[in-house]
Amino acid sequence: SQTIHQWPATLVQPVGSPLSLECTVEGTSNPNLYWYRQAAGRGLQLLFYSVGIGQISSEVPQNLSASRPQDRQFILSSKKLLLSDSGFYLCAWSSNSEKLFFGSGTQLSVL
Amino acid sequence: AQRVTQPEKLLSVFKGAPVELKCNYSYSGSPELFWYVQYSRQRLQLLLRHISRESIKGFTADLNKGETSFHLKKPFAQEEDSAMYYCALITSGSRLTFGEGTQLTVNP
Repeated sequence: SQTIHQWPATLVQPVGSPLSLECTVEGTSNPNLYWYRQAAGRGLQLLFYSVGIGQISSEVPQNLSASRPQDRQFILSSKKLLLSDSGFYLCAWSSNSEKLFFGSGTQLSVL
Repeated sequence: AQRVTQPEKLLSVFKGAPVELKCNYSYSGSPELFWYVQYSRQRLQLLLRHISRESIKGFTADLNKGETSFHLKKPFAQEEDSAMYYCALITSGSRLTFGEGTQLTVNP
């Protein structure tokens, strides 16, 4: 069966520090991969979307970047975190069935 | 541009009462809509999708193209229904646009 792993679960980072959140999927090949963010008082916002290795679509201009070095690995990064980057980050995957499966999320606090 | 609106951030009902979580959308194409749910300390998960026209955990949702709505309904709410509910619209490239969510609390 397919599973999705996302880590870490919580992260506290100082302003200006780098960020790396990792997400991996098992049990499927060539999944569509997504990074969503849920900021306080707001809905889920799509940050990045990938249909294959090295193929990244950015939905909103921001301080973050994403990479897909392997078929089932999706990484969210930042060179210098801002206070406004705080939030709850969710990785998700889907096949062509369009149903999204979510990771357990990362609560990021930038201080 | 695609947009999903959930006008109520918080909704509180008593056990056994009917519940309706509102969702309105704007989309120029043929919409495909979903409801996702996140129970406390659990992952976000799909509750139902309009094309399957199914009832999950007693919840139903009907797509009303005239009113551009996809409200989630349950005739008799249960305490275990307390959760965060997100309405979502699928757009090009299988990307989901989410509403801001409604926190449902069912009181005993």
